[in-house]
Amino acid sequence: KAGVTQTPRYLIKTRGQQVTLSCSPISGHRSVSWYQQTPGQGLQFLFEYFSETQRNKGNFPGRFSGRQFSNSRSEMNVSTLELGDSALYLCASRGAGAHNEQFFGPGTRLTVL
Amino acid sequence: QKEVEQDPGPLSVPEGAIVSLNCTYSNSAFQYFMWYRQYSRKGPELLMYTYSSGNKEDGRFTAQVDKSSKYISLFIRDSQPSDSATYLCAMIASGGYNKLIFGAGTRLAVHP
Repeated sequence: KAGVTQTPRYLIKTRGQQVTLSCSPISGHRSVSWYQQTPGQGLQFLFEYFSETQRNKGNFPGRFSGRQFSNSRSEMNVSTLELGDSALYLCASRGAGAHNEQFFGPGTRLTVL
Repeated sequence: QKEVEQDPGPLSVPEGAIVSLNCTYSNSAFQYFMWYRQYSRKGPELLMYTYSSGNKEDGRFTAQVDKSSKYISLFIRDSQPSDSATYLCAMIASGGYNKLIFGAGTRLAVHP
């Protein structure tokens, strides 16, 4: 079974630009969560989508948004990029069942210049 | 104060040592407890999952949860150089859907 895939793996953008990151969950998984990882703040929850609906949201500004498609693939968008948005963006998927085992993708490393 | 506290290390041990990694937390609503391992420039890999209090063993790894003390541990027996990585504890509160709250991560180096 293929794991969680994320594209692109690396991105370089300049301040003020916007960026879209993509995540394909494990086949059959309907929940997709996004996290930001930085050396200073560690891993922080951005938002979660389940069946195309945002179910939970972290404490990030409105510049960070996301969506989920009917095939469970998800995208996140960051508008008006700031230097502080440089981070590893991780996507995690979870299948059905009582236990909350989430599996992460390799991440997209975003550098904002 | 962070909801989950974890000593970032680094922790350096000789090969074959028993490693103890710990996290404390303040939110009594946390019900699901996980340990992830993250190698440099990779995504976190799920190592252990525990629901509520108790112990769980998987090969060289043992996870313990003590909800009364709000304290979780991961033990690695017979540590190997390939165990060198950052270990992250993570928790989900009851009703928190899939929102993982992570500790800062402990960097572990196992030297031959």
